[in-house]
Amino acid sequence: SQQGEEDPQALSIQEGENATMNCSYKTSINNLQWYRQNSGRGLVHLILIRSNEREKHSGRLRVTLDTSKKSSSLLITASRAADTASYFCATYNFNKFYFGSGTKLNVKP
Amino acid sequence: DVKVTQSSRYLVKRTGEKVFLECVQDMDHENMFWYRQDPGLGLRLIYFSYDVKMKEKGDIPEGYSVSREKKERFSLILESASTNQTSMYLCASSSSPGTGARELFFGEGSRLTVL
Repeated sequence: SQQGEEDPQALSIQEGENATMNCSYKTSINNLQWYRQNSGRGLVHLILIRSNEREKHSGRLRVTLDTSKKSSSLLITASRAADTASYFCATYNFNKFYFGSGTKLNVKP
Repeated sequence: DVKVTQSSRYLVKRTGEKVFLECVQDMDHENMFWYRQDPGLGLRLIYFSYDVKMKEKGDIPEGYSVSREKKERFSLILESASTNQTSMYLCASSSSPGTGARELFFGEGSRLTVL
């Protein structure tokens, strides 16, 4: 399977702290993306990093990619209660997207 | 605002029934996807389509079929629903490589319960 695997499966932090989630994958990729899912809803795209990029920022999000280790990390800085959601990494190759099982983030007010 | 619309948020069906899950996108995307999501298993690709009347199997196509007669509409069909098909079904679309962002746009999901 080409699926990514997120780590940890669950993360609980206080508001204002940073949250770091990791993703490992198995095959070569064109790009890697992170998505967010609020409970019972569809997924929303957060950020995309191409295979030739090492780091990317978007607002409070910072994504890194290490293709030699086949891994990526998502950092959410200064977390808010509204960041409570599940976060998924997705690898893209040959017109297909493969998802991991996600990290469930709980940000306590 | 771009949109992927799934016809039903919640469905309850009986074992053996034929089930249709409809998905419509208004972004003129070439690619459309059906995933199912189960706790601990993440999203698994059932089928995808890269053009009208074209389809390809994903990782778990058994027990499912799809139909894409128009570019904007992609239907998932459970010919004879079984209890192990109780799940959240997510439809998504994306543009083709080279024509724009290759991110997925998701619908809100259809939660199917098979009794």
